[in-house]
Amino acid sequence: AQKVTQAQTEISVVEKEDVTLDCVYETRDTTYYLFWYKQPPSGELVFLIRRNSFDEQNEISGRYSWNFQKSTSSFNFTITASQVVDSAVYFCALSEEGGGSQGNLIFGKGTKLSVKP
Amino acid sequence: DTGVSQNPRHKITKRGQNVTFRCDPISEHNRLYWYRQTLGQGPEFLTYFQNEAQLEKSRLLSDRFSAERPKGSFSTLEIQRTEQGDSAMYLCASSMTSPSEQFFGPGTRLTVL
Repeated sequence: AQKVTQAQTEISVVEKEDVTLDCVYETRDTTYYLFWYKQPPSGELVFLIRRNSFDEQNEISGRYSWNFQKSTSSFNFTITASQVVDSAVYFCALSEEGGGSQGNLIFGKGTKLSVKP
Repeated sequence: DTGVSQNPRHKITKRGQNVTFRCDPISEHNRLYWYRQTLGQGPEFLTYFQNEAQLEKSRLLSDRFSAERPKGSFSTLEIQRTEQGDSAMYLCASSMTSPSEQFFGPGTRLTVL
């Protein structure tokens, strides 16, 4: 069965601190995709990144970086030098392409990040 | 604006009434998804269209729910005989192909009194 676990329900940091959001996934497929989305207070989900199961290379985009480790089934997200505008709920999601799946996303419960000035 | 749009943004209805939501995907996207999100939870998949064909439905989609995508363009989600448990944010997303990223609309927040 496929599942995404985000164990951290809420995190609060002070501006300029680094913060890591954890994501652990379960799947039986060998081909799958992992995503991170941001949901600011306005409510609209914003796509951040997609990773396929064959690419374990870490990625950096500005202050954001992602660490994908198949050995631990984790896809963690780090924000460096956090800013107040980073305050949002962050969702990790999994998409499988086998077994008749049509690419629908399986989301974790989200981690609410609060960045205080 | 070329993003995904949803209407209405908010809907308040009384238990037992029917409601219909509309989603307009990004024009070149042939895949369209509906999700439901309740407070404190991640979105949950409801149903999926490729062009006009509804190819997958979640167990969450009871008989009171129906979705259409005529001509493979916009989509509607109808809930008949609404119940208080249907109160949630209904999200629509579209994508070019799978497994490309899905782009989400702002959602329709349904409150059933």
